[in-house]
Amino acid sequence: QVHLVQSGAEVKKPGASVKISCRASGYTFTNYYMHWFRQAPGHGLEWMGMINPSSGRATSPQKLQGRVTLTGDTSTTTVYMELSSLRSDDTAVYYCARKFSTRYFDYWGQGALVTVSS
Amino acid sequence: QSILTQPPSVSAAPGQKVTISCSGSSSNIGSNYVSWYQQVPGTAPKLLIYDDDQRFSGIPDRFSGSKSGTSATLAITGLQTGDEADYYCETWDTSLPSEVFGGGTKLTVL
Repeated sequence: QVHLVQSGAEVKKPGASVKISCRASGYTFTNYYMHWFRQAPGHGLEWMGMINPSSGRATSPQKLQGRVTLTGDTSTTTVYMELSSLRSDDTAVYYCARKFSTRYFDYWGQGALVTVSS
Repeated sequence: QSILTQPPSVSAAPGQKVTISCSGSSSNIGSNYVSWYQQVPGTAPKLLIYDDDQRFSGIPDRFSGSKSGTSATLAITGLQTGDEADYYCETWDTSLPSEVFGGGTKLTVL
């Protein structure tokens, strides 16, 4: 059975960085891209990027390039999303999700709330 | 402002049918598969429909998807109070390039 388990809630000050983990189990970790999304309070879903756990190659949207770093560890079947230079509008729930083939997101992590506040 | 356009809210009585539209362009819906997700507030999104019109495992046939040109539609028949949630359409945008979502539609079952 596929499970994606994320790390817990974080509270950070503006300008700091946060690193969230997503541990995968129940499938061959290197066979599926992992994506990251976020959802600000009362808002919709925003894509933050994807990583190929096999090659380690990652892609993120232009608006976040330079602030988001996606990495993976095949030994622990865990992917990480680090966001730097945090601002108050980065306050959101962050999700990881597995992409099946190239078409859809079939399994999601439970979400991790990141609060940015001075 | 979302790349894909959905109505902010829809409502209908139990047992009735509702449709949720998702409008895009040739670089997203017009050239890539659409997925639909259900999200109960405070929980992660759940896949309902993939590849425009395929129900994911365990999803009842009350849920159906369709696509025509640069628009997609999610239909829910036999509405139940448990269907109250936010619904999102999603696809890949080739020109950005990026995964893109609709702004979400809140379904209220009256």
